[in-house]
Amino acid sequence: AQKITQTQPGMFVQEKEAVTLDCTYDTSDQSYGLFWYKQPSSGEMIFLIYQGSYDEQNATEGRYSLNFQKARKSANLVISASQLGDSAMYFCAMRDPRGSNYKLTFGKGTLLTVNP
Amino acid sequence: DGGITQSPKYLFRKEGQNVTLSCEQNLNHDAMYWYRQDPGQGLRLIYYSQIVNDFQKGDIAEGYSVSREKKESFPLTVTSAQKNPTAFYLCASSMRPTALTYEQYFGPGTRLTVT
Repeated sequence: AQKITQTQPGMFVQEKEAVTLDCTYDTSDQSYGLFWYKQPSSGEMIFLIYQGSYDEQNATEGRYSLNFQKARKSANLVISASQLGDSAMYFCAMRDPRGSNYKLTFGKGTLLTVNP
Repeated sequence: DGGITQSPKYLFRKEGQNVTLSCEQNLNHDAMYWYRQDPGQGLRLIYYSQIVNDFQKGDIAEGYSVSREKKESFPLTVTSAQKNPTAFYLCASSMRPTALTYEQYFGPGTRLTVT
């Protein structure tokens, strides 16, 4: 069964420092996609970054990077130079071609608080 | 501006009443999805549609119904059969439902409270 695990319910970081949010996944498929979303207190889900299972390079998008360790089945999000506006819930998600559904399965999220 | 609209932002209903949540997208996306989010939880898939006039149950479809008569619209009805309807409901869409790389775009959500 597909599963996404985010073991950190909450994380604190000082402004301008880097922070790593953990995500491990479980799938028997060789081909899959990993996503990170940010959810501010307003509720909308904002796409941050994508990593494909066959991508050899770790994905980067501005201050966001994904530390992809395929053998360990981990896809940690690294936020560099944290800003106060980064305070939000962060969700890891996986999409795989199980059956023909290509459903997106989410973890339970990590609440990040950036302190001034 | 292209995007997904959900209305209303907040919705209040009495127990036993059906209620329909609106979701409209102008992104020309083929696939649309409905998720439910409970406090402290991730998103759980209710229904999804990969093409007009077709939809499939997600992981928690009981007590919900949908229709997909137009590409841009995917309304969700929360029926009286749903035992715990109070939740935050998010609608999403994606360009190609059978591609791994395409992210889902989300609407602002509707917070439903049933008393």
